[in-house]
Amino acid sequence: SQELEQSPQSLIVQEGKNLTINCTSSKTLYGLYWYKQKYGEGLIFLMMLQKGGEEKSHEKITAKLDEKKQQSSLHITASQPSHAGIYLCGARGGANNLFFGTGTRLTVIP
Amino acid sequence: EPEVTQTPSHQVTQMGQEVILRCVPISNHLYFYWYRQILGQKVEFLVSFYNNEISEKSEIFDDQFSVERPDGSNFTLKIRSTKLEDSAMYFCASSGLGPGNTQYFGPGTRLTVL
Repeated sequence: SQELEQSPQSLIVQEGKNLTINCTSSKTLYGLYWYKQKYGEGLIFLMMLQKGGEEKSHEKITAKLDEKKQQSSLHITASQPSHAGIYLCGARGGANNLFFGTGTRLTVIP
Repeated sequence: EPEVTQTPSHQVTQMGQEVILRCVPISNHLYFYWYRQILGQKVEFLVSFYNNEISEKSEIFDDQFSVERPDGSNFTLKIRSTKLEDSAMYFCASSGLGPGNTQYFGPGTRLTVL
């Protein structure tokens, strides 16, 4: 079965620093989704990537999907305390369901 | 901006009791989902629902679980006889048609089974 591995599992950065979170799949990805989850809350959609080599940005967050469509990265530029949370990558499993990685917990120190 | 809502936010129940978790998906969405997240673990898919029937379900979604769209707006998850291991955060999500359509999640219902 397909698995999503995220690294690092947790990350502590000083405010203003850049950071990257990685998501690696054992098989080709058909739709890669990034969500953010605050502790005990719901998942907030960030971005979706479908094509190999695709890159999308929203505010200070950039997500990329590699050409082989097996790895994605999420990059945050000039991190702020509002970026703190758990970042989850998700991919399409069956017809419509998503399966998720274990998440990366980001702490931003002011 | 439209959003998925869920009630209650927290439900405490005794083992063996039935619980119903409620969701109001985004109004023009046609696919509805339930996921769960046991504390400290991954978010796991339970079931998807389209055109008034289950379109896909996971191994977790056994005979103790059922889903229903009782009217034009609500989508419910029923657990018939709760077990301790059903304690988790339950998320409802909805999406439009098509494989690329994004799933939008509700804030979740925290279910605690005592």
